[in-house]
Amino acid sequence: GAVVSQHPSWVICKSGTSVKIECRSLDFQATTMFWYRQFPKQSLMLMATSNEGSKATYEQGVEKDKFLINHASLTLSTLTVTSAHPEDSSFYICSAGSSRGSKQYFGPGTRLTVT
Amino acid sequence: QKEVEQDPGPLSVPEGAIVSLNCTYSNSAFQYFMWYRQYSRKGPELLMYTYSSGNKEDGRFTAQVDKSSKYISLFIRDSQPSDSATYLCAMNLRDKVIFGPGTSLSVIP
Repeated sequence: GAVVSQHPSWVICKSGTSVKIECRSLDFQATTMFWYRQFPKQSLMLMATSNEGSKATYEQGVEKDKFLINHASLTLSTLTVTSAHPEDSSFYICSAGSSRGSKQYFGPGTRLTVT
Repeated sequence: QKEVEQDPGPLSVPEGAIVSLNCTYSNSAFQYFMWYRQYSRKGPELLMYTYSSGNKEDGRFTAQVDKSSKYISLFIRDSQPSDSATYLCAMNLRDKVIFGPGTSLSVIP
């Protein structure tokens, strides 16, 4: 299967600071990347969908000014959590797909803890 | 009614048992059906991917889709302790994938 990496794998930051998470597709070109968050013992919640070179589409209830997504190339998407607060602490996972309706390959996730 | 429903478990079975995991869905427009395995604190790993009714087998895993009943299953034969994880069913509609809540499975040696 395709390989998707995420960096960092975990991060601790202070309340009010911003954190950037990178998602890379290592061996294929991802036309679409997805960002999810997952709370303990809960399923994945889609936050936004991004296509290379265009603005991300955010799910209802997700603040686009707080969760900035950039999909600058076919192999890289970034999620920036701005002015992070403790309630933003979660497991953030990206996935990448190569075409409409195709399989999604997930990154290993990034655990964010805001103190 | 949620779009995808899945019994969260936990499900505990002895090593070597056959495991049956199930999901039901409400939207007949779903096109692709997937099963993911997620170990604790890791990203989901794609196990099975199907798009038609019937069975698909891969090693110890068999995915079954019944579109008429809106029901999908994953069977694991000869279960191993390493199969202990959360199993997520997922369905695709255009570019969006809808996940079930996941079933937690423990295989006891």
